[in-house]
Amino acid sequence: EADIYQTPRYLVIGTGKKITLECSQTMGHDKMYWYQQDPGMELHLIHYSYGVNSTEKGDLSSESTVSRIRTEHFPLTLESARPSHTSQYLCASAVSRGNTEAFFGQGTRLTVV
Amino acid sequence: AQSVTQLGSHVSVSEGALVLLRCNYSSSVPPYLFWYVQYPNQGLQLLLKYTTGATLVKGINGFEAEFKKSETSFHLTKPSAHMSDAAEYFCAVSATGFQKLVFGTGTRLLVSP
Repeated sequence: EADIYQTPRYLVIGTGKKITLECSQTMGHDKMYWYQQDPGMELHLIHYSYGVNSTEKGDLSSESTVSRIRTEHFPLTLESARPSHTSQYLCASAVSRGNTEAFFGQGTRLTVV
Repeated sequence: AQSVTQLGSHVSVSEGALVLLRCNYSSSVPPYLFWYVQYPNQGLQLLLKYTTGATLVKGINGFEAEFKKSETSFHLTKPSAHMSDAAEYFCAVSATGFQKLVFGTGTRLLVSP
């Protein structure tokens, strides 16, 4: 079944640690996105990609980085986690043409202590 | 540029009552409009979308929304609320051709017996 997967679902980690949030989709979508969701639930786009080797920063500035080496994989990395990075991170994907729907993963809830 | 305003961070209704969640958008180009629902600790699920054509769109779970260009609105309705409808609802807009979604701040729907 085509889907979009995020791991881990929950992560509690200490300040200064390096972390990578994984996102994979099996739908062959070209476009992939990372959204940060505040405790107040608002969603902000922090990174997006329109294909392999393409990455762009989103509307909200983020200290995280992303890579897109394979179509199906769009990991997000924080080199040194801080408490201000505590949030929920949602990954999404969409096709380039025709279909106009974004599919979302279940999210990773990150807590930095 | 696109933006979305959702009026009311919380809406409370009784089971069986009409649900009305308001969304107004701003877009410099013809918009694509979406409503997503988020249940606790879950990702976002598409309820319905407007791209072109019929301005009254029907979605899952008995929800529908009407695109009103003159009012720049895309309000979400359901004739009769069910307890299972309690969730967070997000309105979103993207430019024609679907580049990236811009979300509203969300409305939490509370349903009482």
